[in-house]
Amino acid sequence: SQKIEQNSEALNIQEGKTATLTCNYTNYSPAYLQWYRQDPGRGPVFLLLIRENEKEKRKERLKVTFDTTLKQSLFHITASQPADSATYLCALDGTDSSYKLIFGSGTRLLVRP
Amino acid sequence: GAVVSQHPSRVICKSGTSVKIECRSLDFQATTMFWYRQFPKQSLMLMATSNEGSKATYEQGVEKDKFLINHASLTLSTLTVTSAHPEDSSFYICSARDGGVSGNQPQHFGDGTRLSIL
Repeated sequence: SQKIEQNSEALNIQEGKTATLTCNYTNYSPAYLQWYRQDPGRGPVFLLLIRENEKEKRKERLKVTFDTTLKQSLFHITASQPADSATYLCALDGTDSSYKLIFGSGTRLLVRP
Repeated sequence: GAVVSQHPSRVICKSGTSVKIECRSLDFQATTMFWYRQFPKQSLMLMATSNEGSKATYEQGVEKDKFLINHASLTLSTLTVTSAHPEDSSFYICSARDGGVSGNQPQHFGDGTRLSIL
């Protein structure tokens, strides 16, 4: 069955450093992959979408890569700030045409001032 | 743009009560809405896909008679948890897809409803 894995341990980094989060998947070939941010008690907020034929996507301090051979996406936040502290979720499109998303369990990022 | 409003944000009620949660797209037409359930420190689990004007599609293991979904307009979907029990306590989140945009696109999420059944 399809499986999406994100590091369950929190990532703790110093302000100003680059945060790198990993999303691995198995038994699946998604057409696109999305990254969301979720703050405690809130709904997820969309950050970036990358398609299977794209290697990299950037938006301000954010960068996403998509390696369909390794079945992995990396999510980078450069010049991290304490305000970047949140849980980051990766999501893949479902196997049917329903537009539904399958979410990973998320990785919590803590940026120390 | 692309704002989704979910109401109420928190519900505390007695066992056996039915609870209705509303999900509205404020500035776009949502032909498809999704309902998720999230337990602490866990992923969003898709419960059902709600399509305007038709019956919802439930994920495996989700009781359709327990979780009633109605999507009567292009801007409103409701989830009713019928005869709720303590095990139904959870964080319920809705999302919507802009029906005016084709192809792959993000989902826009509400801020969730914290349901606590005593």
